[in-house]
Amino acid sequence: EAGVAQSPRYKIIEKRQSVAFWCNPISGHATLYWYQQILGQGPKLLIQFQNNGVVDDSQLPKDRFSAERLKGVDSTLKIQPAKLEDSAVYLCASRGGRGERNEQFFGPGTRLTVL
Amino acid sequence: ILNVEQSPQSLHVQEGDSTNFTCSFPSSNFYALHWYRWETAKSPEALFVMTLNGDEKKKGRISATLNTKEGYSYLYIKGSQPEDSATYLCASFYGQNFVFGPGTRLSVLP
Repeated sequence: EAGVAQSPRYKIIEKRQSVAFWCNPISGHATLYWYQQILGQGPKLLIQFQNNGVVDDSQLPKDRFSAERLKGVDSTLKIQPAKLEDSAVYLCASRGGRGERNEQFFGPGTRLTVL
Repeated sequence: ILNVEQSPQSLHVQEGDSTNFTCSFPSSNFYALHWYRWETAKSPEALFVMTLNGDEKKKGRISATLNTKEGYSYLYIKGSQPEDSATYLCASFYGQNFVFGPGTRLSVLP
């Protein structure tokens, strides 16, 4: 079974530039998460999709971050414009079910550095 | 905002030592606790999913226990090996999404 794919793996940009990340979840997984992991902290949920609908985006900084999952499969996360504090690892994860026993499957993450 | 804590923040042990770390979480509205191992440059991978008070899970040299009444879980590694070096994350599930702790970074020295 193929895992969760993410690209790019690394990205370096200057502040005020834009950047986009892509995620392809495990086939058939309806739930998709984007997390931001800042060094020394745990992953923080940015947005959760169920198929192509948003379940939770309460912690997404909507003035600069946006995400979509148009066909209920792949997803993109965009930052426009980027700030220095956006430097982090952006993790995508998917789940095959919504029960408490269903584990998350993670991609390798995108490490973003904002200069 | 729910807060999940882990201790210690980092740990260095010698090969062959046994070690353990703690995850603390709010016990109200608790559904499940997930443990993940995250090796450098790789994807986090699930170790255990625990739901019941008193649960004990084991996978090889790694085991975990759960106390939902007091809100903590222990992860144990017996006879640590260099390949156990990783960040160990716990995440508490509260019915819709997960709240992660900051992780414990383990380094096993040969």
